[in-house]
Parts: sequence; structure tokens; C-alpha cells
Amino acid sequence: SQQGEEDPQALSIQEGENATMNCSYKTSINNLQWYRQNSGRGLVHLILIRSNEREKHSGRLRVTLDTSKKSSSLLITASRAADTASYFCAEGGGSQGNLIFGKGTKLSVKP
Amino acid sequence: IAGITQAPTSQILAAGRRMTLRCTQDMRHNAMYWYRQDLGLGLRLIHYSNTAGTTGKGEVPDGYSVSRANTDDFPLTLASAVPSQTSVYFCASSEQNTGELFFGEGSRLTVL
Repeated sequence: SQQGEEDPQALSIQEGENATMNCSYKTSINNLQWYRQNSGRGLVHLILIRSNEREKHSGRLRVTLDTSKKSSSLLITASRAADTASYFCAEGGGSQGNLIFGKGTKLSVKP
Repeated sequence: IAGITQAPTSQILAAGRRMTLRCTQDMRHNAMYWYRQDLGLGLRLIHYSNTAGTTGKGEVPDGYSVSRANTDDFPLTLASAVPSQTSVYFCASSEQNTGELFFGEGSRLTVL
């Protein structure tokens, strides 16, 4: 399988804390994307970072990319109960030119 | 704003039956995809289409077929369903094949 891996598989934090999720990937990428999935719903795109970028911000989200280590991290600052969801990274530019998703991190933010 | 519409949302199916999951997008995206999501395995690509009239195989294509007769529709067919095809199926689209994906809400299929 070409799937990457998210770490940790599950994360439980208190509201107001920061949440960091990591992603390791296997292929040479054009970009790395992060998605969010609420329980029983479809995935929603959060942020895309290109292979020539090292860091990107969007609101309370901060994404880093280290192509030498084939890894990325997603930081959610000042988390809220509404951030409770599963988060997936996806490699863009795989052998079939399509996105390859990791297995996800399940984040639980307790009020 | 519709985006991606999938039907049915849920279906229970006897093994051996034929089933077509429907997917329609109204964003005029070139690329469309079918993924299946299973607990512990994440999302795996079944088939994709980079443009109308073309299709390609993903990571887990066996037992599934697709067609892309026009830009908007991308149905997924299970010719003879088996219990291992019990899963949640997601259709998605994008303007280009490595761009942002827009997902439907999923079709939950149970094969008995």
C-alpha cells in the first residue's frame, strides 16, 4: 500500500489546548493536503501545502512540510469542542496522479 | 449549493445482487473519484476519472466498475456484491487530479 500514516491514531485534549497531528508519506509529492471528517459525514478540505513550501497558516491551523523527511504536521491552536473530528492527510502527485489518504487521527476535544 | 450528491445514502443488499451507487456533481470539475472507507484502513481509491470519457483503476478496483459518459455523473457499479464490499463509499471531485477534493456525504452499503 502507498498509504501514509498519521500519528497519533487518536488524541484527546481539553478545550483551549493545542492539538498536533503528524503525517508521514511515501511518494514524491506535488502537494500535501489535510482534510477533516465529522462523524458520519464526508471529508472537508482544510489546507493545501505545496512541495516548495515549508509552512502555511489558515486561521487557527498551521501546517508544516519537511520533504526531506517526507513528513507533515497539522497544528490546531486553542482547540474547541467543535474541532472534534477525524483528520486526514493526503499526498498529491502519487503514481496515479491522484490523492493518497492516510488512515487518520481521531481528535477529541473535551469542553 | 449542492456540490456532490450521492445516492442512496444507505442500502442493505443481498450477496450476489448488482448495485449502482450514483454520484453527480454540479461544479463542472474535470476529475472524479470513488473511495471506500473502512475502519482502520482509512480511505482507499477504487476508481477515478480525470476527464469525461476516461477512467482509471485505483488501489482496490476489483469487483467494481465505473463509467464517465459526461462531466457531471460518475456511477459506481458492483456487478455481484460480496460481503467484503460492505463499506462506506465516498464520491469526490476536483478541478485537477491533485487539487482540492470536494466530497459527497457518502453511501453506506451493507452486503449480507
